[in-house]
Amino acid sequence: DSGVTQTPKHLITATGQRVTLRCSPRSGDLSVYWYQQSLDQGLQFLIQYYNGEERAKGNILERFSAQQFPDLHSELNLSSLELGDSALYFCASSGRVADNTQYFGPGTRLTVL
Amino acid sequence: GQNIDQPTEMTATEGAIVQINCTYQTSGFNGLFWYQQHAGEAPTFLSYNVLDGLEEKGRFSSFLSRSKGYSYLLLKELQMKDSASYLCAVRGRGQNFVFGPGTRLSVLP
Repeated sequence: DSGVTQTPKHLITATGQRVTLRCSPRSGDLSVYWYQQSLDQGLQFLIQYYNGEERAKGNILERFSAQQFPDLHSELNLSSLELGDSALYFCASSGRVADNTQYFGPGTRLTVL
Repeated sequence: GQNIDQPTEMTATEGAIVQINCTYQTSGFNGLFWYQQHAGEAPTFLSYNVLDGLEEKGRFSSFLSRSKGYSYLLLKELQMKDSASYLCAVRGRGQNFVFGPGTRLSVLP
């Protein structure tokens, strides 16, 4: 158990809908990272937050947005969902900026029908 | 452009040593990461290199040559539980992460 929690574990929805994925980092970790993993694209970095501020941005679509709240949990919002958004979404956390060890949550499996 | 290459699959024998190579071309360089991922599970962080040389951590070691855009992950005394995918990732410009396709390692008895 990495100490990172993600909810829900599974999510099934329809095209055009909007969903919110939630991540709680390990106690004391300030950084949260979001990743998408699909069979054809591999693991893709989406975005990183550090202590509530956006720190790095990867291949995140405009239909996707994220935020980190004062209690350090984070949410990833996916809107206007398409079939191709079906994937595993992982959240990871790490400590301070110089701490490069990332601890991954169990992931949320999103299926868009 | 940004590109990371790794062998797709490798096979080794229990107790042996295996080296998984990774070559990269990225915009900027702020460190190279190795992760292990068992099928159906989340990735697990293995190592981080930002300076040239070898970093050793138990049975696992990782090497980096920035001038050659090259890294390898060395696994010693292979165990059956080491059968997994190994992902190489580079943190580039803007602290962005780029992942390689992963190397699926099979450890045979």
